Formats: sequence, C-alpha cells, structure tokens
Amino acid sequence: GAVVSQHPSWVICKSGTSVKIECRSLDFQATTMFWYRQFPKQSLMLMATSNEGSKATYEQGVEKDKFLINHASLTLSTLTVTSAHPEDSSFYICSLGATFGAQYFGPGTRLTVT
Amino acid sequence: QKEVEQDPGPLSVPEGAIVSLNCTYSNSAFQYFMWYRQYSRKGPELLMYTYSSGNKEDGRFTAQVDKSSKYISLFIRDSQPSDSATYLCAMSGDSASGTYKYIFGTGTRLKVLA
Repeated sequence: GAVVSQHPSWVICKSGTSVKIECRSLDFQATTMFWYRQFPKQSLMLMATSNEGSKATYEQGVEKDKFLINHASLTLSTLTVTSAHPEDSSFYICSLGATFGAQYFGPGTRLTVT
Repeated sequence: QKEVEQDPGPLSVPEGAIVSLNCTYSNSAFQYFMWYRQYSRKGPELLMYTYSSGNKEDGRFTAQVDKSSKYISLFIRDSQPSDSATYLCAMSGDSASGTYKYIFGTGTRLKVLA
C-alpha cells in the first residue's frame, strides 16, 4: 500500500496561535487526500476532502476559515488550524485515496492546545 | 439509525481464539468494504479491502461481505496479543455522492489475552 507521513507527530500550542500539519504521500501521487479528526475512544470524523489544485470540500459543521486546507501538489496537503482553542485538541489524521474505495492513512498528529 | 453499526466492545478473547468482528449497514449503494486496524494513537492500517459480495482471505484474516443482508465480517484466526487494537470497518462507493468518501463504523476494541 501507499506510504503516508505526517509532520509533526505531536504539537503543543498556546490558545490563539495557529498550527500547520503536513501530510505527505511518499510513494504515490494523490489527487485526493482526506483530513479526519478523532477524539479519544471515538471513530474518525471526516473534516474535508482535499483535491490537488482546487479548493477543499468541507463536511457540514466544519469551519473552513478555521481549518485551512491546501493541496498544492500531488504529494503534499497541509491543514492549518487557525486561532486554536483547547476544544481543537484532538488527533488529526490524513489519508490519501489510492484507488476507488481504498484509502491509506498517515500516522496522525496529536494536537494539544493549552 | 446510523449508516454503519459496529459493536464498540471491548471484546476480550484468549490467545489462539478465533475472533469475529461485524458491521451492519443500511445503504445498499455501498460497493467497497474495508477493515482497518488502529493501535492507540496511531493511524489506521488497511487490513482487508473487498469489492461487492464474497470472501477474501489474507493470512490469518478473512473478510466476508453479504450485500443481501448488508452485513460484513472480519475473522481473525489464531489471535495473538499483538492483535489487540481497535478494528474499524469502513464502506464507500455510494454512487450518489460521486466520491469514494468513507463511512466508518465506531470501531471495536479487541483485547487478546496471553
């Protein structure tokens, strides 16, 4: 399967600051990437679908101005959490769509907002 | 009713047991059925990927899809303590949405006791 990396793996930031999370496809050109968040002991919640070269499609209830997604190349998508607050603390995971119906996930980024 | 139902567990079994994990779903348009394994604070790892109905085997893992009953299963033979993780079912292929966006189950926590 495809190999996906995320950076950083864990970040602590102060309330009100912005944090950027990178998602890289190491061996596959991904036209579509997905961003999820996961709270402890819960399943993954899709935040947005990121298409290379175009605007991301956000799920209902996800603030696009707060969670900025950029998919500038076939191997890199970024998620920026702007003006982070403690309630944004979560586990953020990206995935890439390899073939119809298959997604390969990154290792995740743990965000803690103090 | 949720689109995908999965018993959250936890499920505890002795080492060497056969484990059966299941999901039911309501959307008959789903065509792709996946099982992921997720260790704590890690990204999900794709275990099995099945298109339409039928069985698929890979080592100790067998996936079954019964579209007529809207029921999928994952069997783990000769379970090991290293299989202790959360198992997520996922489905996609809803032609109405035109994307391969996943719908996840809530995940079943499995613990294999040595």
